[in-house]
Amino acid sequence: AQSVTQLGSHVSVSEGALVLLRCNYSSSVPPYLFWYVQYPNQGLQLLLKYTTGATLVKGINGFEAEFKKSETSFHLTKPSAHMSDAAEYFCAVSEGGMEYGNKLVFGAGTILRVKS
Amino acid sequence: NAGVTQTPKFQVLKTGQSMTLQCAQDMNHNSMYWYRQDPGMGLRLIYYSASEGTTDKGEVPNGYNVSRLNKREFSLRLESAAPSQTSVYFCASRIPNTLWDTEAFFGQGTRLTVV
Repeated sequence: AQSVTQLGSHVSVSEGALVLLRCNYSSSVPPYLFWYVQYPNQGLQLLLKYTTGATLVKGINGFEAEFKKSETSFHLTKPSAHMSDAAEYFCAVSEGGMEYGNKLVFGAGTILRVKS
Repeated sequence: NAGVTQTPKFQVLKTGQSMTLQCAQDMNHNSMYWYRQDPGMGLRLIYYSASEGTTDKGEVPNGYNVSRLNKREFSLRLESAAPSQTSVYFCASRIPNTLWDTEAFFGQGTRLTVV
C-alpha cells in the first residue's frame, strides 16, 4: 500500500530564501505524485504533479519538484520565498488508475512560515 | 462550473446524533473521496469510491458509512457521532487513468464539532 512521509511538520524561512519541503513516498508500482497547498480556512489547491516523463516538474507560483525514483522522493522547492507562500503544504501519492483502486493518500503536511 | 460542492459548511452535533454530509461534483469524474483533516495528521482517507457502484474503506473508516448515490454524488454518514469525530471533512473527485493521472479537486470542507 502506498504511503507518504513529509519530513518536518513546520519549516521557517526568511523572505527571499530557498524553500525546501521534503516528501518521501512508498509505492509498490510507479507512483503518481502531487503537491497541494492549503491557505487558512480554505480547501486544497494543486501546486504540481508528476505522472510520467520529465522528472523535474514545474508548478504554479514558482514552485517545482523533482521525482527521484532511487531515493523515493519528491521534494518541493522554490528559489525565493515570498510572504504569500505561508501556508500548509501536502504531498500525495496515487498508485495509478482503476486497476489499483484509485486510492489517493496524503502526508501529514508541512506548515511553511515566511519571516520578513 | 461549481466543481465539488459540500454541504453543510458548518455543523454542531451532540454525542450520539446522526448526520449525513453531502458531496456533489459536476465534472463527470469517476472517483470520489472523503477525507478528514486533523491538526498534525494531514488528510486521512475515510472512504473512497473508484467508480459509480463501488466503495472501499480508507485508513480511518470506523464510525462512518458512505453511499455513492450516482456518478455525481457521494455522501458520508455518521450514525452515532462521537467527540473523536470532531474534524474538518473534505470531499474530492478525480478521473484516474492508467496512462496519465489527474489531480483531485476538493470541496471547501465541512467543519464538524461533536459536543
